[in-house]
Amino acid sequence: AQSVTQPDIHITVSEGASLELRCNYSYGATPYLFWYVQSPGQGLQLLLKYFSGDTLVQGIKGFEAEFKRSQSSFNLRKPSVHWSDAAEYFCAVERPGGGADGLTFGKGTHLIIQP
Amino acid sequence: GAGVSQSPSNKVTEKGKDVELRCDPISGHTALYWYRQSLGQGLEFLIYFQGNSAPDKSGLPSDRFSAERTGGSVSTLTIQRTQQEDSAVYLCASSLGQFTDTQYFGPGTRLTVL
Repeated sequence: AQSVTQPDIHITVSEGASLELRCNYSYGATPYLFWYVQSPGQGLQLLLKYFSGDTLVQGIKGFEAEFKRSQSSFNLRKPSVHWSDAAEYFCAVERPGGGADGLTFGKGTHLIIQP
Repeated sequence: GAGVSQSPSNKVTEKGKDVELRCDPISGHTALYWYRQSLGQGLEFLIYFQGNSAPDKSGLPSDRFSAERTGGSVSTLTIQRTQQEDSAVYLCASSLGQFTDTQYFGPGTRLTVL
């Protein structure tokens, strides 16, 4: 069974600083990879996804993520954070062709933005 | 167009009562998913519907949980004889139906079992 680890429960970043959120997965092959964001009282919004091809993926709101097969990682980055980026971030995986299994999520990273 | 909608947004019930949670997917989306989000377990996948096909119920946490989808659209998640450990946010998502399609999530129903 696949699993996802987000090692940082909380991260605090100053507004304007760069951000990197870590995600490691455990799976026998390369899964589909996702990053979602959840703001208070809101549903989950997809930031970006990786299925195959170029390992650097661009998403919405200025986010990007890089898939590294050798490290089983899919870290999320943003060069300059804004106060509105404060939210909970979830990394998720899906078995290719296994949509019926749903997404497997990490426990999430809570991002705090300092003024 | 409208996104995924869920009702009610909040539900408080007493232990032992039955509850029904409703999900209206995005129009034209054939795939529908239910997830549960709780402090202890994080986000867990519960069940998947593709059109009118019978779902695989193996992800449901217990036989007190059931789900149905009528006419390939609206779905209802029913929890019978609720327990305090059922307290969580129940999220619904829908997608166009291909496995590479994005899942769009609703705002969730917060269930509190007293």
